[in-house]
Amino acid sequence: DTAVSQTPKYLVTQMGNDKSIKCEQNLGHDTMYWYKQDSKKFLKIMFSYNNKELIINETVPNRFSPKSPDKAHLNLHINSLELGDSAVYFCASSPIGNTIYFGEGSWLTVV
Amino acid sequence: AQSVTQLGSHVSVSEGALVLLRCNYSSSVPPYLFWYVQYPNQGLQLLLKYTSAATLVKGINGFEAEFKKSETSFHLTKPSAHMSDAAEYFCAVTTNTGNQFYFGTGTSLTVIP
Repeated sequence: DTAVSQTPKYLVTQMGNDKSIKCEQNLGHDTMYWYKQDSKKFLKIMFSYNNKELIINETVPNRFSPKSPDKAHLNLHINSLELGDSAVYFCASSPIGNTIYFGEGSWLTVV
Repeated sequence: AQSVTQLGSHVSVSEGALVLLRCNYSSSVPPYLFWYVQYPNQGLQLLLKYTSAATLVKGINGFEAEFKKSETSFHLTKPSAHMSDAAEYFCAVTTNTGNQFYFGTGTSLTVIP
């Protein structure tokens, strides 16, 4: 059983397209996150949700929109994709103040 | 607010040598500290964590880390490096009431045969 699963794992798309990445966790955690990892491996928090409510919204272009239909799911929708959006996007979840568990990542390449 | 600093973005060791990856933290409240490992093309996997119990924490794959409050450090060590330890290592901090994890910039470990 995968604890945090995200799909798709690989995504190649053209500039200007809209795409979504889905994430589900079966750990019963209250908090879910989206992180972006750039080519230098730097991990940047994008969003954090607690019980479906947005609690962290870092400086991210408004082309990125998270959606949490329930506390086990946090999807990421990206509009009008740009070359600079190419990165690895990680979904993660955690209970408050405890270990954060990551999904396997979604490798997004914009061409 | 919390933050972590990892000194050395790249560390190379010979196989069988000591591994030492440095992490210093800043936190206005007692921190919870973590080390994660990322193998190529994979997600991040928990190596070990400190949550205010024993200051010397043992993790998977022979790694351990010691919480030193006086030095605000949480360095990761392994007595003898193995080729399979080559990966990216991240230090992270949160608090017992926190829902925000702050990650360091990562240290890439190379193991030389």
